[in-house]
Amino acid sequence: EIVMTQSPATLSVSPGERATLSCRASQSVSSNLAWYQQKPGQAPRLLIYGASTRATGIPARFSGSGSGTEFTLTISSLQSEDFAVYYCQQYNNWPPWTFGQGTRLEIK
Amino acid sequence: QVQLVESGGGVVQPGGSLRLSCAASGFTFSSYGMHWVRQAPGKGLEWVAFIRYDGSNKYYADSVKGRFTISRDNSKNTLYLQMNSLRAEDTAVYYCAKEAVVPAAPRLNWFDPWGQGTLVTVSS
Repeated sequence: EIVMTQSPATLSVSPGERATLSCRASQSVSSNLAWYQQKPGQAPRLLIYGASTRATGIPARFSGSGSGTEFTLTISSLQSEDFAVYYCQQYNNWPPWTFGQGTRLEIK
Repeated sequence: QVQLVESGGGVVQPGGSLRLSCAASGFTFSSYGMHWVRQAPGKGLEWVAFIRYDGSNKYYADSVKGRFTISRDNSKNTLYLQMNSLRAEDTAVYYCAKEAVVPAAPRLNWFDPWGQGTLVTVSS
């Protein structure tokens, strides 16, 4: 099973600033990585797949990068609606599909 | 647009059973694999089960193998999760999710979109 590790657990950033979230895989997942956003009381929403491809309707301020075992989600200029929990997930080796434990992005 | 609506959650005693349903609309249900993913209160996401578009193959997390059964009725556009021998640690919001694939690489699939979830509470 591939273990996904996200850091930091909580990130405090001011609106308008840049946020950088990290995700590490226990072995290579190539570029087969997705990012999801989850707001309180809501279902997760797909942001990024293929490590760097934005899903339909996702604003350009969200970008993903990386391959192999190291990945990054960057939000270039934080809006109020971006404060949420973010999960990475690998789909290279399955089953199981595995998620990171999440990064909570909070307002500083 | 694609819509997934879960139902069937509730409170059940340890050792009991429950069947969840996920009604799909807005896409050709019989052409896509489907997942169940759960989230315990205040915790992260855990994949539970996957079924291929035609029901030919099913996969389970080790934590539910032998207790849960995923199935589908393509004539009713509905996905199911039969949960038996329930334990306290199965308490979670259960989401169904449609597989998302790149046609050139159908083996690679992620989750998009997700339903709103249904809460299962296992407690005496």
